[in-house]
Amino acid sequence: KAGVTQTPRYLIKTRGQQVTLSCSPISGHRSVSWYQQTPGQGLQFLFEYFSETQRNKGNFPGRFSGRQFSNSRSEMNVSTLELGDSALYLCASSPGGGTTDTQYFGPGTRLTVL
Amino acid sequence: DAKTTQPTSMDCAEGRAANLPCNHSTISGNEYVYWYRQIHSQGPQYIIHGLKNNETNEMASLIITEDRKSSTLILPHATLRDTAVYYCIVRVIYNQGGKLIFGQGTELSVKP
Repeated sequence: KAGVTQTPRYLIKTRGQQVTLSCSPISGHRSVSWYQQTPGQGLQFLFEYFSETQRNKGNFPGRFSGRQFSNSRSEMNVSTLELGDSALYLCASSPGGGTTDTQYFGPGTRLTVL
Repeated sequence: DAKTTQPTSMDCAEGRAANLPCNHSTISGNEYVYWYRQIHSQGPQYIIHGLKNNETNEMASLIITEDRKSSTLILPHATLRDTAVYYCIVRVIYNQGGKLIFGQGTELSVKP
């Protein structure tokens, strides 16, 4: 099976703009989670989607949002970009989103905000 | 949420076993221990997970103490390609799903 794919792989934006990142899960996986990785804060959980519904959410401001489509593909959006949003954004998918499901990560999208 | 404590860095000679420790003294009864590794700027790679019994797969072995307050990941024959940051994670069961709480990890350097 193909792994988790994320597009684009690299992105450069300026402050105040918005950005949309895309994630295609492993075929058959229904849960998608998003994480942010920065040198200062490490890897932090953003949110999880399952069957097109946000099921869990981390401690990030409302500028960070996401959605999931009926084919399980997911997008996350960051509005009014700040310099501190520069990070590696990772998405992970798991089969049914159950408590013992293993999450498999994509390669990430590297966002740079200037 | 349970937290984990790992050494910041470790070295290992190529071909030798790498033993990476992790403390998770506040782990709850239904929380799993997961190990992932991340090679520079790539997405984390799943290695292994367990609840209370020791586990082994083609990549590694996971030894969990009886009180579940600590665990050790063992890479039996480390190679240069095993150089990476290794994360010990407690998977928090939350709202029918689960999120991974990452600590700072252990930077493992495998040397020739």
